[in-house]
Amino acid sequence: DQQVKQNSPSLSVQEGRISILNCDYTNSMFDYFLWYKKYPAEGPTFLISISSIKDKNEDGRFTVFLNKSAKHLSLHIVPSQPGDSAVYFCAAELSNTGNQFYFGTGTSLTVIP
Amino acid sequence: DAGVTQSPTHLIKTRGQHVTLRCSPISGHKSVSWYQQVLGQGPQFIFQYYEKEERGRGNFPDRFSARQFPNYSSELNVNALLLGDSALYLCASSLFPPSSYNSPLHFGNGTRLTVT
Repeated sequence: DQQVKQNSPSLSVQEGRISILNCDYTNSMFDYFLWYKKYPAEGPTFLISISSIKDKNEDGRFTVFLNKSAKHLSLHIVPSQPGDSAVYFCAAELSNTGNQFYFGTGTSLTVIP
Repeated sequence: DAGVTQSPTHLIKTRGQHVTLRCSPISGHKSVSWYQQVLGQGPQFIFQYYEKEERGRGNFPDRFSARQFPNYSSELNVNALLLGDSALYLCASSLFPPSSYNSPLHFGNGTRLTVT
């Protein structure tokens, strides 16, 4: 049973424009959410996170939004750069399980120069 | 500083064989987790170890086992390999204990296991 879902397998965006990656979850007990970026032949790299007590967290070009009522998470990248082309995974953690993350299936982002 | 290191990077095994995968966490990290990533899917949690004790186990059969050593490195063992065990096996470490809040995982580059 997939508790974290990324319904868009791929996304293409022009360089300089905004990239919006979406993630939905089903378990209301998730209380910590993260985004990871993965290049081929490398492990996932931590990008940005947000706890369930917040609705927005920003780090440079990356902003994560959390809508708990809709059980929806999104990652905004502004402006998008060709180096952002990668697979992006969202992940969620159940409270008190410590580091047991549930991952989505990933969205492959291509930023076109 | 070195990141999470995993060995070997690639491995080919035959059905029924046994495999051992190794992981060294980031220096100072005491928590190690193992994830399996099948092609086209996201990583799936297998095990977590903290201070040499198992702190969590995912929905995997008993053919999968792991341990953590006094230097916090870890091994993942898989017995009686099946074709379906072919995947990328990722090791991740984190700084804080499992009960800590907001502790992201830092992943290695993984071991690509192919079972024929």
